[in-house]
Amino acid sequence: GAGVSQSPSNKVTEKGKDVELRCDPISGHTALYWYRQSLGQGLEFLIYFQGNSAPDKSGLPSDRFSAERTGGSVSTLTIQRTQQEDSAVYLCASSLDPDSLYNSPLHFGNGTRLTVT
Amino acid sequence: GDSVTQMEGPVTLSEEAFLTINCTYTATGYPSLFWYVQYPGEGLQLLLKATKADDKGSNKGFEATYRKETTSFHLEKGSVQVSDSAVYFCALRLAGGYQKVTFGIGTKLQVIP
Repeated sequence: GAGVSQSPSNKVTEKGKDVELRCDPISGHTALYWYRQSLGQGLEFLIYFQGNSAPDKSGLPSDRFSAERTGGSVSTLTIQRTQQEDSAVYLCASSLDPDSLYNSPLHFGNGTRLTVT
Repeated sequence: GDSVTQMEGPVTLSEEAFLTINCTYTATGYPSLFWYVQYPGEGLQLLLKATKADDKGSNKGFEATYRKETTSFHLEKGSVQVSDSAVYFCALRLAGGYQKVTFGIGTKLQVIP
């Protein structure tokens, strides 16, 4: 079946512009995660959704970052007034309800490579 | 807080060499442990997992044993191939719902013929 889909795959933007990154999770997956992957920094947790609510937003780096999820499906990550340090690969992952299957793995998309010039 | 520490790479091995990538964790509860792999140009995918102490996860010739006493989950393979060249991430998730998955920094493995 279809995996996690992210769009766009690449985004180049000028400093100060806003960007929106989209994630379509696997159908039926209630949990959705956003991570950021920077060179030499590993995977940095940003935010986690259970259904449409976000129990854990602790990883959002600043108030320029926000995310929403609608209909328990598609999620968008918005970065306002982008800065050069926002350049990274933004990864989305989904999984089955962790409350009942806490060992259920994450299924990742291929990411959006964001470059802020 | 919960954290995962893994050896920094890059690790360069000759084909058929033995591989160990160390991973240790700190957690307030009893986590499930995972190894994810990212092949060049591809997304992360689950390699193997273990959900309780002394469990051994295995896949594609890779193995890792959940060691509660040493809080470790080292990844091993007896004979690596060029196709194993990738970045390997150790990760944990606590039980009890609403839990994020915490990843290590990733270890890049390069296998040369």
